[in-house]
Parts: sequence; C-alpha cells; structure tokens
Amino acid sequence: EADIYQTPRYLVIGTGKKITLECSQTMGHDKMYWYQQDPGMELHLIHYSYGVNSTEKGDLSSESTVSRIRTEHFPLTLESARPSHTSQYLCASSESLQGYGYTFGSGTRLTVV
Amino acid sequence: SQQGEEDPQALSIQEGENATMNCSYKTSINNLQWYRQNSGRGLVHLILIRSNEREKHSGRLRVTLDTSKKSSSLLITASRAADTASYFCATDAGTGNQFYFGTGTSLTVIP
Repeated sequence: EADIYQTPRYLVIGTGKKITLECSQTMGHDKMYWYQQDPGMELHLIHYSYGVNSTEKGDLSSESTVSRIRTEHFPLTLESARPSHTSQYLCASSESLQGYGYTFGSGTRLTVV
Repeated sequence: SQQGEEDPQALSIQEGENATMNCSYKTSINNLQWYRQNSGRGLVHLILIRSNEREKHSGRLRVTLDTSKKSSSLLITASRAADTASYFCATDAGTGNQFYFGTGTSLTVIP
C-alpha cells in the first residue's frame, strides 16, 4: 500500500469557505505534486515542489496555493471555494532521480455547493 | 500539448481475453509510464519504460514503445475481473521531471 496519505477523503463545503487539503508522505521523497481530475477525465498538474521551500504552478491555472515547509507535507489551500472548484484532487510524490514512477494518494473528492 | 492520448477510450472484454491499449504522444520523451486507476481512487504505477527500451514485461503486463511513431501499447494478458479500471499513460516531454497524463482507457472485464 502506498505511503502517501490525503485527508479528507470527501469534503462538501459552502461557497466562500477557506479549505486546506492535506497530503503527507513517509517515503522521504523530495518531489511532490498536486493534480486535479474531473470524473472520467485526464489529470491536470496544478502545483509541484522539488523540495522544502520550493513550489511551482503547473500547467492548469488554479486559484489554489501550496506550501512546502517540511519534506513530508504538501498541503493545498483554497482561500475562497467556488462551485467551479468541485473536482477530485490527487497528491503524488516521487524520487528525486529521473526514471521513477509517482506514488499517488487516494485523493480528496471536493464538492462546493 | 504533450499529453498522451489513449486509444480506445473504452474497452469491454470477457475474462481470460487479452486487452490492448494504445498511447500516442507528441514530443520526444525520456520515459513513458502506465498507471491504473480504480474508480474514484488514486493512480497506481504499473510500469515505466525508457526511451531506449522497446519492450518491457511485468507479470501479465507487456509494454512496448515505438519512439519513431511516438506510441506505446499496454497489453494485459489473461484478463481478470479485478483488472477493471482506467489505464493512463504518462510522458515526461523530455524533461524527466514532470509527467503529463492522457485521458485514459476505461477497461471493463466481464466475469
């Protein structure tokens, strides 16, 4: 079983609320990623980090922000949730060296009403 | 976009049959990977193939890579109902750092 954990598993919140999706890994991976996936659709990279204090935006424009204060922790925050943020959010990590696959968490399914 | 495109979008077969899925991409790559996703869950890494490799095996999985055609295929032999899932290919666009995922093939294996 993968050693990367996402909480909560499901979240239903009202418009305008601030939320933080948690992602933690115990593998000591430097690289971590956040993907957004709508049902039956492809994954879109929204944020990534190559190590502590390193964060970058991905290809998909997102109103979320991330932080990387500790190697094992890569939370994603939405300051003001909107219905358009309804989606599944997947966190992943990988070894620093090239040629390794990603380890994914089980995802957080977010619904904004 | 570098994102791979899987073909077919959906595939339904009987248990015991082989399943073949294809992936095409647009630019040069260092690595290509295949992942499986069960409904509503995260992705599970299946196999990675490097650009200088042509074929790779892992259990009932066989992956081929043709860099001249910018395409890869995933073959699952002797399929089982538990193989029912979506399968995604991911390519690194030559960077080796970020991977770009395709739209996936939805496989249904009928018992």
